[in-house]
Amino acid sequence: EDQVTQSPEALRLQEGESSSLNCSYTVSGLRGLFWYRQDPGKGPEFLFTLYSAGEEKEKERLKATLTKKESFLHITAPKPEDSATYLCAARLRGYQKVTFGTGTKLQVIP
Amino acid sequence: DARVTQTPRDKVTEMGQEVTMRCQPILGHNTVFWYRQTMMQGLELLAYFRNRAPLDDSGMPKDRFSAEMPDATLATLKIQPSEPRDSAVYFCASGLMAGPNTGELFFGEGSRLTVL
Repeated sequence: EDQVTQSPEALRLQEGESSSLNCSYTVSGLRGLFWYRQDPGKGPEFLFTLYSAGEEKEKERLKATLTKKESFLHITAPKPEDSATYLCAARLRGYQKVTFGTGTKLQVIP
Repeated sequence: DARVTQTPRDKVTEMGQEVTMRCQPILGHNTVFWYRQTMMQGLELLAYFRNRAPLDDSGMPKDRFSAEMPDATLATLKIQPSEPRDSAVYFCASGLMAGPNTGELFFGEGSRLTVL
């Protein structure tokens, strides 16, 4: 069964304290690994798509990387406005189905 | 600014009542998803459609849930009868799932359902 597991469940950082969020997947034939940001009371908002091992994508203080078994979302010098829940999702080759992990709730303290 | 629109934003109902949630996907997107989000389970896929045809609804209780897409501008999720355990936020998302480098989903704001 396709599974997407995220860790940690919650992360509290001081402003400026860099860290990484992990997403491991057991989807065979990965067709895309996606990262989303979700603010309270809102729908998830797309951040990145990664398609092959070794690929990296960057946006402001965020950088996503992909290996054959996991993806990392690196947050460099975070600010309080980076506080949100970060979700990863995987899409299986040949299908439209997108399976989400349970998310990492990030809190950045000023 | 294209976006997915969901109604209602909030719904409080009593157990046993029928609930219908509606979604207007982004024009041109060929795939529509219904997800349910709870604190315990996170985002669970309920059903999805490609070019309005249902592809998979194995994620939802068939005896009480039904999903349809009567036309390209409207997707519906119906619960009849509703139960307290159905209380959750229901999200609709649409995307263009065509070709090798696609799959980004655009989500609506969600419909928060409370069944008393």
